[in-house]
Amino acid sequence: EIVLTQSPGTLSLSPGERATLSCRASQSVSSSCLAWYQQKPGQAPRLLIYGASSRATGIADRFSGSGSGTDFTLTISRLEPADFAVYYCQQYANAPFTFGGGTKVEIK
Amino acid sequence: QVQLQESGPGLVKPSETLSLTCTVSGASLSSSYWYWIRQPAGKGLEWIGRIHTNGNTIYNPSLKSRVTMSVDTPKNQFSLKLNSMTAADTAVYYCARSASSAGSFYYYVDVWGEGTTVTVSS
Repeated sequence: EIVLTQSPGTLSLSPGERATLSCRASQSVSSSCLAWYQQKPGQAPRLLIYGASSRATGIADRFSGSGSGTDFTLTISRLEPADFAVYYCQQYANAPFTFGGGTKVEIK
Repeated sequence: QVQLQESGPGLVKPSETLSLTCTVSGASLSSSYWYWIRQPAGKGLEWIGRIHTNGNTIYNPSLKSRVTMSVDTPKNQFSLKLNSMTAADTAVYYCARSASSAGSFYYYVDVWGEGTTVTVSS
């Protein structure tokens, strides 16, 4: 089973700042099969990024993903109030298709 | 616009079997993978398993002995059964659809249901 470790656990930033979220895998993730989701309280997760760097339909270009192998990054270039949420990475290369523990982006 | 809606009991007694159904609208159930994922309150996401419309399944090894998934293509529904429920199974249960990039054999979750809360208690 591939274990995904997300860091930091909590990121305290102000609107307009840049957010950098990390997702590290315990073994290489084939074909960059790594997705990022955003979840707000009381809501289902929403797909942001798939294939490590492809933005999902309707996702703003301030969200970008990068990385390969075992190290992946989600960057939010300029935080807007709606971006304060919990973010999860997931690998979908090898079953079980595991999730990271999440990074909470909170308002400083 | 694809929509998924979970349905089932909100309360299950310990040792009983949970049965949930996901109804898909706005898209056909055919030729894709369909997922169940759960989330205990205040915690992270746990992948339960997936089923293809041809009936092929993959389950999380941690739940494999207790999980059964099925598909009802005419009704555009798929289902989850989880037996021997305990308090540790209390969670929000999500059903989800997957998609793949052109030419890829790998499927990512792109559409989620709103989730249904299941509590295990006597």
